[in-house]
Amino acid sequence: DTGVSQNPRHKITKRGQNVTFRCDPISEHNRLYWYRQTLGQGPEFLTYFQNEAQLEKSRLLSDRFSAERPKGSFSTLEIQRTEQGDSAMYLCASSPGPVRDTEAFFGQGTRLTVV
Amino acid sequence: AQTVTQSQPEMSVQEAETVTLSCTYDTSESDYYLFWYKQPPSRQMILVIRQEAYKQQNATENRFSVNFQKAAKSFSLKISDSQLGDAAMYFCAYVAIKDDKIIFGKGTRLHILP
Repeated sequence: DTGVSQNPRHKITKRGQNVTFRCDPISEHNRLYWYRQTLGQGPEFLTYFQNEAQLEKSRLLSDRFSAERPKGSFSTLEIQRTEQGDSAMYLCASSPGPVRDTEAFFGQGTRLTVV
Repeated sequence: AQTVTQSQPEMSVQEAETVTLSCTYDTSESDYYLFWYKQPPSRQMILVIRQEAYKQQNATENRFSVNFQKAAKSFSLKISDSQLGDAAMYFCAYVAIKDDKIIFGKGTRLHILP
């Protein structure tokens, strides 16, 4: 297993377009997390899944954002009608249990630029 | 709401020297976990060290150690014998015992001078 994989690594899109990112967690990790990191800031929590169930969503996650983990394996994060303020690094992490008890492993992120 | 504050946006240290990165946090919880994460340039974030709030003993991982002051809500990271590979963004982070999400500070960029 090569760790948490995120695709694409970079995405440039025009304002108003929809984009979708994919995260493949480490096998058998039942937790999967999405974070957003803007320049000069630490990662901000967006949402997380335990298996296929989405257990928590941040208030940062507007109606234009939706995340899925249909079979409890990979996850997708979709942003509809992108805005320039959506430009950021989107990080995915997975863990075998709660992050307070186990180590979270992060992917390299998808950098989104909205022009 | 819990917050994590890192007051040093950037720091530099000479190779082989010791450096301390500062972190304070705010919480009304009595039980929680604290972490330091390292994010090297263009590479994924990795866990450096972890501290349970109920443990008085400071955590240590090889050259990395913490100074955990619960009453002061302070959690600093000391890196001894700094190496070029230590150059990275370092994030202080918090997880409440009843939560399953990490709250990060803004980070400190550490430069290692050869």
